[in-house]
Amino acid sequence: GENVEQHPSTLSVQEGDSAVIKCTYSDSASNYFPWYKQELGKRPQLIIDIRSNVGEKKDQRIAVTLNKTAKHFSLHITETQPEDSAVYFCAASSPGGYQKVTFGTGTKLQVIP
Amino acid sequence: NAGVTQTPKFRILKIGQSMTLQCTQDMNHNYMYWYRQDPGMGLKLIYYSVGAGITDKGEVPNGYNVSRSTTEDFPLRLELAAPSQTSVYFCASSSARSSYNEQFFGPGTRLTVL
Repeated sequence: GENVEQHPSTLSVQEGDSAVIKCTYSDSASNYFPWYKQELGKRPQLIIDIRSNVGEKKDQRIAVTLNKTAKHFSLHITETQPEDSAVYFCAASSPGGYQKVTFGTGTKLQVIP
Repeated sequence: NAGVTQTPKFRILKIGQSMTLQCTQDMNHNYMYWYRQDPGMGLKLIYYSVGAGITDKGEVPNGYNVSRSTTEDFPLRLELAAPSQTSVYFCASSSARSSYNEQFFGPGTRLTVL
């Protein structure tokens, strides 16, 4: 089955700096890569996603890149703000009878004011 | 739309007790999922359903059971609760319209087994 590894497990950055979280996946059939943000005590919520036919996608201060050959994808947050502090999960989804989604183990991002 | 709702928000069980975690979605989604999230860890799939009457095991199904009698409801049953089942449980749903659909999560149920 699919295996998703995520690094680092914790990340501290100064406000205004950039943050990068990296994930690798094992199943070459995976074609959808969502990123979820989970604030303390809250539910995970989708912040950005990318499909396998696209190499990069941006949404304001957030961007995701995908390298299908190397089977890795990354989340980039620029100009970090204290409200970006949360746990971020990457995930990989492969086509099939249902949307089997495998999550990474999460990265706890702390933005220091 | 209320989205995905879960009850209860919190529960403390004694070892050996049983309970049902309720999950309802009002988005007419075919796919529904149950995950558990242990402290500081990621999400592990317990059971999933692709439609009413159809359920299947995920990664960590032992100690749990599910049913899906309607599109809206997907309850999770814990029989003979054990301390290892202390966790936060999230229900989620997604549409079957394409392969690229967001999963919508409920607010979670925090369960402690003592």
